[in-house]
Amino acid sequence: GESVGLHLPTLSVQEGDNSIINCAYSNSASDYFIWYKQESGKGPQFIIDIRSNMDKRQGQRVTVLLNKTVKHLSLQIAATQPGDSAVYFCAAQLHGYNKLIFGAGTRLAVHP
Amino acid sequence: NAGVTQTPKFQVLKTGQSMTLQCAQDMNHNSMYWYRQDPGMGLRLIYYSASEGTTDKGEVPNGYNVSRLNKREFSLRLESAAPSQTSVYFCASSPEGGAEAFFGQGTRLTVV
Repeated sequence: GESVGLHLPTLSVQEGDNSIINCAYSNSASDYFIWYKQESGKGPQFIIDIRSNMDKRQGQRVTVLLNKTVKHLSLQIAATQPGDSAVYFCAAQLHGYNKLIFGAGTRLAVHP
Repeated sequence: NAGVTQTPKFQVLKTGQSMTLQCAQDMNHNSMYWYRQDPGMGLRLIYYSASEGTTDKGEVPNGYNVSRLNKREFSLRLESAAPSQTSVYFCASSPEGGAEAFFGQGTRLTVV
C-alpha cells in the first residue's frame, strides 16, 4: 500500500516570504502526486501535480519538487499572501491503482 | 458549472440510524471516490469506483456501503450509524487514474 506523511503540522510565515511545505511517501511505486489546498469549510482544491518522470514542475507562484530517491516532495509558494492561509495536503497514487492516498496536512498561517 | 454536488451538507443522526449520502458529478468522469476527514487527519479513502459498475474498498470501508448508480452518481450508505462515524465526508471524481480529483463541498455528519 501507500502512506503519506508531512513533516510539520503547522507552518507560520510572514507575508511576502517564500513557504516550503514538505511531504514524504512510503511506496516507491507511487507515480503520481498532487498538492491540494483546503480552506475552512470547503473541499480540497487542486494546486499542482507532478508525475514520477519529472523532478520539478512550476505553476503560478507554486513549484513542486519531487525527489524519488528519498521519496520526498515539496511545495514551494513564492511571495506568500494572506489568501494562501489554508491547510495543504499532498496525495500520492500507486501505479496501476485508481486512488489517491492523502497525508495529514500542514496548516499554513500567513502573518502580515 | 456545478462540478461535484453532495447532499445533504449537514446531518445529525442517532446511533443506530441509517442514511445515504448522495453525490453527483456533471463532468463525465469515470472515477468517483468517498473520503472522510477527521480533525487533525488527512482524508482517508472509504470506497472508490474506477468506472460505472465497479466499486472497491479503500483504507477505511468498515461500516459503509456504496452504490455506483450510474456514471454520474455515487452514494455512500451508513446502515447503522456509530459515533465513530462522526466526520466530514467528501465525494470526489476524476477522469481516470493518474489525474486530478475534483472534490465536493463536503457533508458534515454528527452521530449522537
